[in-house]
Amino acid sequence: EAGVTQFPSHSVIEKGQTVTLRCDPISGHDNLYWYRRVMGKEIKFLLHFVKESKQDESGMPNNRFLAERTGGTYSTLKVQPAELEDSGVYFCASSLRQGSETQYFGPGTRLLVL
Amino acid sequence: SQKIEQNSEALNIQEGKTATLTCNYTNYSPAYLQWYRQDPGRGPVFLLLIRENEKEKRKERLKVTFDTTLKQSLFHITASQPADSATYLCALRYTGRRALTFGSGTRLQVQP
Repeated sequence: EAGVTQFPSHSVIEKGQTVTLRCDPISGHDNLYWYRRVMGKEIKFLLHFVKESKQDESGMPNNRFLAERTGGTYSTLKVQPAELEDSGVYFCASSLRQGSETQYFGPGTRLLVL
Repeated sequence: SQKIEQNSEALNIQEGKTATLTCNYTNYSPAYLQWYRQDPGRGPVFLLLIRENEKEKRKERLKVTFDTTLKQSLFHITASQPADSATYLCALRYTGRRALTFGSGTRLQVQP
């Protein structure tokens, strides 16, 4: 069974540009999460999808971040326009269904905003 | 706000010894607590989960304890091996939320 995959693995952009990160969860997993780790800090929750619906957006830092999960399969996280403080590692995780507590993480996308 | 503390200093031990990592939290207790392993350049990998009504869980060489009175979890790796060298993350999940709240992690280095 394939794990959670994320694309790209690395992205270097300039301040003010737009970047779109993609996450493919494990097939059949209804729950999809986005987290990020900025330099020197702990991993922090951004948002949670159940299928195509946003269940919890409480961790989204501001309206420059837009997450979508059309069709309830893969998800994208767009940052527009990117700021320096957006640099960090963005992780995606998925879990099977309601009551399933184990979250399986992808390898992360390393974003550097210059 | 909830705060989770893990030993920020790296833990260095000799192969064969038991490694003990600490996770302390403030305020209210979570529905359950998880431990993850993270290697450089990779995402966290789930290891063990313990619920608020459980005192101890074991899996092979791993053991987790959970003391809601002390607001602390201990994570033990017995008969440690150099391959156990990694960063170990404590993560809490609260009732009513699916999001995980992570500690900053403790780096473990097992010397051969």
